[in-house]
Amino acid sequence: DAKTTQPTSMDCAEGRAANLPCNHSTISGNEYVYWYRQIHSQGPQYIIHGLKNNETNEMASLIITEDRKSSTLILPHATLRDTAVYYCIVRVGRDDKIIFGKGTRLHILP
Amino acid sequence: DAGVTQSPTHLIKTRGQQVTLRCSPKSGHDTVSWYQQALGQGPQFIFQYYEEEERQRGNFPDRFSGHQFPNYSSELNVNALLLGDSALYLCASSLGAGQETQYFGPGTRLLVL
Repeated sequence: DAKTTQPTSMDCAEGRAANLPCNHSTISGNEYVYWYRQIHSQGPQYIIHGLKNNETNEMASLIITEDRKSSTLILPHATLRDTAVYYCIVRVGRDDKIIFGKGTRLHILP
Repeated sequence: DAGVTQSPTHLIKTRGQQVTLRCSPKSGHDTVSWYQQALGQGPQFIFQYYEEEERQRGNFPDRFSGHQFPNYSSELNVNALLLGDSALYLCASSLGAGQETQYFGPGTRLLVL
């Protein structure tokens, strides 16, 4: 079973920041938080990952709370092309197996 | 630089048949993982291949088997197809057994009639 909890769906206005929350209250000290997204009819796309510190790349920012029990993915200026299902994942152990939940369906509104 | 490629893109089979799906990893990657994604669900891990051996396996029956070749490409075989095997089959590649970032291919959509 997935170790994360996410809202089923969210709306965001185009041009605004999209903030996607994720709860992972049982995360272990050596587990990373990963975010992927899946645009309709495509394979999942890696966005960002982090362990303790906040992370930023060209796609998004990842804010992890100090107790690591939750995190937020931030898309700073959402566009219509950001409409997708966003998966928050806690990596299981040292291997590459990824346990996906149902994710959050993000709708960007024009 | 080619990303992960999969073939075929779509496939229709009937119950009881066998199917083989193929995956070529991203250039430089040596680890391949397979996932099954039913409609409306997140991808479910099937198994992972590294150094031509199955390293990890999810909760899938023995009807699902795989292979990795010396060039790191991989095949997923499903025997005795059931209607419930209809899904999008995704391949993901990464570098090294402990590598954390996987890159996914576009998937093969299998329909079992």
